[in-house]
Amino acid sequence: LAKTTQPISMDSYEGQEVNITCSHNNIATNDYITWYQQFPSQGPRFIIQGYKTKVTNEVASLFIPADRKSSTLSLPRVSLSDTAVYYCLVGENNFNKFYFGSGTKLNVKP
Amino acid sequence: DSGVTQTPKHLITATGQRVTLRCSPRSGDLSVYWYQQSLDQGLQFLIQYYNGEERAKGNILERFSAQQFPDLHSELNLSSLELGDSALYFCASSASQDEQFFGPGTRLTVL
Repeated sequence: LAKTTQPISMDSYEGQEVNITCSHNNIATNDYITWYQQFPSQGPRFIIQGYKTKVTNEVASLFIPADRKSSTLSLPRVSLSDTAVYYCLVGENNFNKFYFGSGTKLNVKP
Repeated sequence: DSGVTQTPKHLITATGQRVTLRCSPRSGDLSVYWYQQSLDQGLQFLIQYYNGEERAKGNILERFSAQQFPDLHSELNLSSLELGDSALYFCASSASQDEQFFGPGTRLTVL
């Protein structure tokens, strides 16, 4: 079971870059790393997914070191609307079980 | 809009009762997942179905059961309800093992 560990909460200001790190020491060879965003009383929404090195899309970047025991979600120039809980997810490929981490509550201040 | 629909949106019932939550996955998605989220808690994986068959089980209580029908919609049955079962129940679907698309959830209140 690839358990994940994230900071419980983070504060930031509008316009700043935010980096949220997730530890997953027991990640398996075939596991991908996926990040989701969740607003209160809504279902989580996919942000980005990666396997190794760096992945970038229109909303975020994902940095994964060579040992893959951690990953960092980078949100450029956050706004108030980025205030949400961010979950790091490591797929347990063999058994198709998806365990969300505790999530990081990001609070963006004006 | 993720394309996943869940009904009902809200459900209020009493302890000891039984309820059924319904989920329709995105068109073409064969996998359906159920999650429970209690107040201010993270998402707890309950169970996954793939093309009508149970694929994986998480922290699902024996009082809870689920099934996926031939048209791929899924139902989560919760019985002998307790106060602690009050939560948001999310359904998600996926075409692969990776990205999941979540529905808007069903808020269950047990009084």
